[in-house]
Amino acid sequence: EVQLVESGGGLVQPGGSLRLSCAASGFTFSLYWMTWVRQAPGKGLEWVANIKQDGSEKNYVDSLKGRLTISRDNAKNSLYLQINSLRAEDTALYYCARGRMCESWGQGTLVTVSS
Amino acid sequence: EIVLTQSPGTLPLSPGERATLSCRASQSVGSSYLAWYQQKPGQAPRLLIYGASSRVAGIPDRFRGSGSGTDFTLTISRLEPEDFAVYYCQQYQSSPQTFGQGTKLEFK
Repeated sequence: EVQLVESGGGLVQPGGSLRLSCAASGFTFSLYWMTWVRQAPGKGLEWVANIKQDGSEKNYVDSLKGRLTISRDNAKNSLYLQINSLRAEDTALYYCARGRMCESWGQGTLVTVSS
Repeated sequence: EIVLTQSPGTLPLSPGERATLSCRASQSVGSSYLAWYQQKPGQAPRLLIYGASSRVAGIPDRFRGSGSGTDFTLTISRLEPEDFAVYYCQQYQSSPQTFGQGTKLEFK
């Protein structure tokens, strides 16, 4: 069974940084693109970033470029998202998903940016 | 960036009725790269349709995706109570990948 478990969210002050993690199991992690999607409270889905199987290609949403770094460790079956210079509008539930078309999702980790 | 516009924003219907949800793209999307998701309150989204018209294993056949180019449709032929949720389309043809703003299917 495919499992994706996000962690690393929490309350952070504006200007701070966070590193989100996603632990994958139940499939061969190294064979799949991986994606991050976020959802602000009461809002729709926003695609954030994705990364190719070997990490050689990374794509980011334009509005967050420069503040994001997506990475992966295939030996640890893990996906990461580093977010810097956090703002109130980054408050959201951050999901990781398998594949470019998000065929499986985790339950998300909540990031709250507030002073 | 490809902008996806979903309509209507809210669709009030009753169980047993037919639902037709639209997703329009600002530029042509290869039909292999359009997906539909369902999200219920408090849950992660679930992939229903990929490649514009291919149903994910286990998704009931009352869900049907169609369309090409810039116009795509998700049709739910006979609504069941569990179908009332928010539906999103997504293009994964080009980066940045984008989602539509969602259509909320609600009880009339």
